[in-house]
Amino acid sequence: NADVMQNPRHLVRRRGQEARLRCSPMKGHSHVYWYRQLPEEGLKFMVYLQKENIIDESGMPKERFSAEFPKEGPSILRIQQVVRGDSAAYFCASSLMGQGMTDTQYFGPGTRLTVL
Amino acid sequence: DAKTTQPNSMESNEEEPVHLPCNHSTISGTDYIHWYRQLPSQGPEYVIHGLTSNVNNRMASLAIAEDRKSSTLILHRATLRDAAVYYCISARRGADGLTFGKGTHLIIQP
Repeated sequence: NADVMQNPRHLVRRRGQEARLRCSPMKGHSHVYWYRQLPEEGLKFMVYLQKENIIDESGMPKERFSAEFPKEGPSILRIQQVVRGDSAAYFCASSLMGQGMTDTQYFGPGTRLTVL
Repeated sequence: DAKTTQPNSMESNEEEPVHLPCNHSTISGTDYIHWYRQLPSQGPEYVIHGLTSNVNNRMASLAIAEDRKSSTLILHRATLRDAAVYYCISARRGADGLTFGKGTHLIIQP
């Protein structure tokens, strides 16, 4: 798990500010997934990206949330105008092949976002 | 993804085997069964996955019922470090985002 890097590990924002969460996948992995875990709940899939492409964003809220995975650099999950309900742990995962049912996803340690 | 049902919590003693059940009665023929676990304050960790045959790896064994409507994750000798929430996931072909339920909270008593 330590090979998937996320930063920052903890992020505090005031309502209305922007939050940027970064994820560096395991070496050689070109598929990245973002999940959100609200307090006392299970993980919810948000978005799946390959380099420079969004493959599936069915779990992403329609407003204020966006994700990218540029050709160079980490994947970014961006939350604009944060609200208290955005407080959660955000996990990213990476995989080698991105074939869903057979590929293994390796998760990072998460970013814990607190909105004041 | 097929819905999975797991007990909310289970308790076991250290150094004893643990059998974690999962029901997935609506599973399709091409769905794989994945198990992940999440230790406190950490990201999920892959444990094992399988399709029809029983599977073994260094962490655990996965026993899949013949009709594939249920499966059991087996930890052969539990340690305190195995205390975690264990998630059973049925992944549908073409669906790349995993659907996590509430999982089973495994408590290990010393």
